[in-house]
Amino acid sequence: GNSVTQMEGPVTLSEEAFLTINCTYTATGYPSLFWYVQYPGEGLQLLLKATKADDKGSNKGFEATYRKETTSFHLEKGSVQVSDSAVYFCALSDGRSSASKIIFGSGTRLSIRP
Amino acid sequence: DAGVIQSPRHEVTEMGQEVTLRCKPISGHNSLFWYRQTMMRGLELLIYFNNNVPIDDSGMPEDRFSAKMPNASFSTLKIQPSEPRDSAVYFCASSRGKVGSYEQYFGPGTRLTVT
Repeated sequence: GNSVTQMEGPVTLSEEAFLTINCTYTATGYPSLFWYVQYPGEGLQLLLKATKADDKGSNKGFEATYRKETTSFHLEKGSVQVSDSAVYFCALSDGRSSASKIIFGSGTRLSIRP
Repeated sequence: DAGVIQSPRHEVTEMGQEVTLRCKPISGHNSLFWYRQTMMRGLELLIYFNNNVPIDDSGMPEDRFSAKMPNASFSTLKIQPSEPRDSAVYFCASSRGKVGSYEQYFGPGTRLTVT
């Protein structure tokens, strides 16, 4: 079945450091891929998405590229800020029908030190 | 756009009581999802609907849990009777459910505490 594996946290970085959170997936066909972010006390928010191979999703300085050859969708940011502290979820949807659900990874907690 | 609306935001109840959580999806979205989030188990999909019809309820933990979607703008998740282990944050999410547009939009959640 479809699944998502992301690096375990917590990840702690200093402000302005480079961020990578690894995500790999298993799926048949051509899923859509997502990164969601959850700030403390809030629901999940869509951060970025990519719907086909080699697409790059980007938002708020974050980027992720859909790599079909390595079945990966790693999240990167060149210079993190304290306000980026949150839990990040990688996810996929097989998109086979209008009733498709999203498969979420287990989440990676990111903490940024001032 | 108002976003997904959930009520109540916080609920504290005693073991054995009935609890009803409510959700209003984004207008025009035809898929609705109920999730539960705990520290121990992370984010779990409980049930989801498409065009008001339950598609997959395999994540519902047991018969004490039930969910309904009587129309396109309202859904409920009921726990009867509630138990302390049901304490969690419950999220509702909705999506357009169309090809190329499966991203889900989450509500702020209901924090349930069962004592």
